[in-house]
Amino acid sequence: EVQLVESGGGLVKPGGSLRLSCRSSGFTFSENYMTWVRQAPGKGLEWVANIETDGSQKGYVDSVKGRFTISRDNAKNLLYLQMNSLRAEDTAVYYCARDWWYSGRYPTLDSWGQGTLVTVSS
Amino acid sequence: EVVLTQSPDTLSLSPGDRATLSCRTSQSVSNNYLAWYQQRPGRALRLLIYGASSRATGIPDRFSGSGSGTDFTLTINRLEPDDFAVYYCQLYSRSTPWTFGLGTKVEIK
Repeated sequence: EVQLVESGGGLVKPGGSLRLSCRSSGFTFSENYMTWVRQAPGKGLEWVANIETDGSQKGYVDSVKGRFTISRDNAKNLLYLQMNSLRAEDTAVYYCARDWWYSGRYPTLDSWGQGTLVTVSS
Repeated sequence: EVVLTQSPDTLSLSPGDRATLSCRTSQSVSNNYLAWYQQRPGRALRLLIYGASSRATGIPDRFSGSGSGTDFTLTINRLEPDDFAVYYCQLYSRSTPWTFGLGTKVEIK
């Protein structure tokens, strides 16, 4: 069974930093792209960042470029999101998810963690 | 950037009813890269439909997806108590990998 467990959330002041982790199990982590998605309180889902299998290619939503860094440790089955220069608008539950191409053709995020809450406030 | 517009915002129905949820995209979707997800409080998000109309593994056949181009629909037949949740449509593209609609809440009437 695929399991994704996020950790590292908490309360941080504007301008501060936080590193989120996502521990994976139940699948071959090194063979999958991975994604971070966030959800602000009472709002919808927003893609934040994704990373290729070997970490060589990464993508970010414009609002976090230059502030957030996604990375992975395939030996430890861990996905990370380093968040710097945090702003109030970064307050959200952050989810990690596995990219999965059904039938090799249809892209999805087929497995999700329960999320970790990041609150940016003074 | 493609925008996904879901309607209605809220659907008030009773157990046993049929729910029909709409997702419209601002540009035509190629390759049917459209998926649907369910979000219930305290539970991990759940993939329901991929490729606009195929059910993901383990999803009951009460859930069905249809549509192409810019108009897509998620239909839930014979609503069960666990089905009252928020549903999101999602589009994949190479430029912005994952774009979501704002969601439709299916609530108990």
